Amino acid sequence: SSELTQDPAVSVALGQTVRITCQGDNLRTYYASWYQQKPGQAPVLVIYGNNNRPSGIPDRFSGSSSGNTGSLTITGAQAEDEGDYYCNSRDSDGNKVVFGGGTKLTVL
Amino acid sequence: EVQLVESGGGLVKPGGSLRLSCAASGFTFSSYTMNWVRQAPGKGLEWVSSIDSSSGYIYYADSLKGRFTISRDNAKNSLFLQMYSLRVEDTAVYYCARDMSPPLHFDPWGQGTLVTVSS
Repeated sequence: SSELTQDPAVSVALGQTVRITCQGDNLRTYYASWYQQKPGQAPVLVIYGNNNRPSGIPDRFSGSSSGNTGSLTITGAQAEDEGDYYCNSRDSDGNKVVFGGGTKLTVL
Repeated sequence: EVQLVESGGGLVKPGGSLRLSCAASGFTFSSYTMNWVRQAPGKGLEWVSSIDSSSGYIYYADSLKGRFTISRDNAKNSLFLQMYSLRVEDTAVYYCARDMSPPLHFDPWGQGTLVTVSS
C-alpha cells in the first residue's frame, strides 16, 4: 500500500500565505484532494484534482502538484481557516484510498 | 440539498457486532460510489471501505482483516457497514462520504456516528 506524508503542524500569520504539502509516490500518478476539518465537525472538501474548488470555497484556497508532492496554498489566511487539513488520493493499485496524517493549521 | 446522515453507532463490548447505516438524500444515490471513513479520538482520518454504484466492486482497508462488510440498498438510498469482532481500536467516529471521482474526491460527508468499543 501507499502512504501520504504531511507535516503535523504549520502556522501562518493572519493575512499571509501558507502552503501545506502532501508527499507520496502515488501522487506521481494520482491527484491529491484536500479537506478541512474543524473541531467537532465533519471534513469539508476544499480542493480536488488539478486545482479545482467546490462551490462555496473561497478563492484564497488553491492546489498544485509537482512530482510526488501535492500542495494546498492559502493566500491571505484568515482566522476561520484554522483547523486540520487532510489530503487523500488513490492507493498505488488505483482501487483503494489513502489519507495523509493531517496538518494542524494555526493562524497567528 | 445533498445530505448524508449516519446512524447506528453506540457502545459495544469487545468481540461484539454493530451495523451502521447512512441515509442519502438530494442526489441520485444509485449513480455513485460510496465510502466509509473513520476517525479515532484525537487521530486522523482513515479510509475504511468503498462500494461502487452497483455493488460490483468493493474494497477494504487492509487493516480491517475481513471483519467489516460494506453493502448498499439503492432502492432505499442507503449505505451500510456491518462490523464484526469489534476491538477497542475500532473506537472512532464513522463517516460516510460520496465519491465524486474522477479524480478522487469525497463530497459531501455525513456528520458521523460514534462507535465506542469498551468493556
